[in-house]
Amino acid sequence: AQTVTQSQPEMSVQEAETVTLSCTYDTSESDYYLFWYKQPPSRQMILVIRQEAYKQQNATENRFSVNFQKAAKSFSLKISDSQLGDAAMYFCACAGGTSYGKLTFGQGTILTVHP
Amino acid sequence: GAGVSQTPSNKVTEKGKYVELRCDPISGHTALYWYRQSLGQGPEFLIYFQGTGAADDSGLPNDRFFAVRPEGSVSTLKIQRTERGDSAVYLCASSFYRGSATFGSGTRLTVV
Repeated sequence: AQTVTQSQPEMSVQEAETVTLSCTYDTSESDYYLFWYKQPPSRQMILVIRQEAYKQQNATENRFSVNFQKAAKSFSLKISDSQLGDAAMYFCACAGGTSYGKLTFGQGTILTVHP
Repeated sequence: GAGVSQTPSNKVTEKGKYVELRCDPISGHTALYWYRQSLGQGPEFLIYFQGTGAADDSGLPNDRFFAVRPEGSVSTLKIQRTERGDSAVYLCASSFYRGSATFGSGTRLTVV
């Protein structure tokens, strides 16, 4: 079983600046994945970045990177050079065992980007 | 298809009625998932299919909810005797075995 907590209901950032979204998790699985998904008003959940728990190196996808602290069970998302199109709801999620699509989501963080 | 397709996009039904929500996964994806997302919340897992069989239905809230995937592709989520509390966005996702999930745009169900 997993629990995921996002303690920031809302965050805002100026265009071109950097913002960090926080996430903590707990799991009884020894093998698990962590994810950040973006949900714009279109409702579709879009995968932003994925981290395998067994990997020590933090995942990076272009302007998106994570800070994965396994011992602290922390998984934050850093968005660099923020763009207006980054504005959305962001969800942190955890999947364990053999089913990496069976996700436990956090409550979400609404990100506003100011021009 | 190119993505996960869910129909209808929106559904309004009267309390007590029966509804069916359809999900067309990405071609070749063996795993299919249903989630329910209430307003302002993160999605909650309902059921997971691997092929034709339900591998995990631990998230179905009660016996009014049922899902099928008879040929291992399209899936239908069925809700009997709908209640106002069933109003939510129902999301479907698919993946290869042990792959990351790709989501559809969901069906917004409103029970009046």
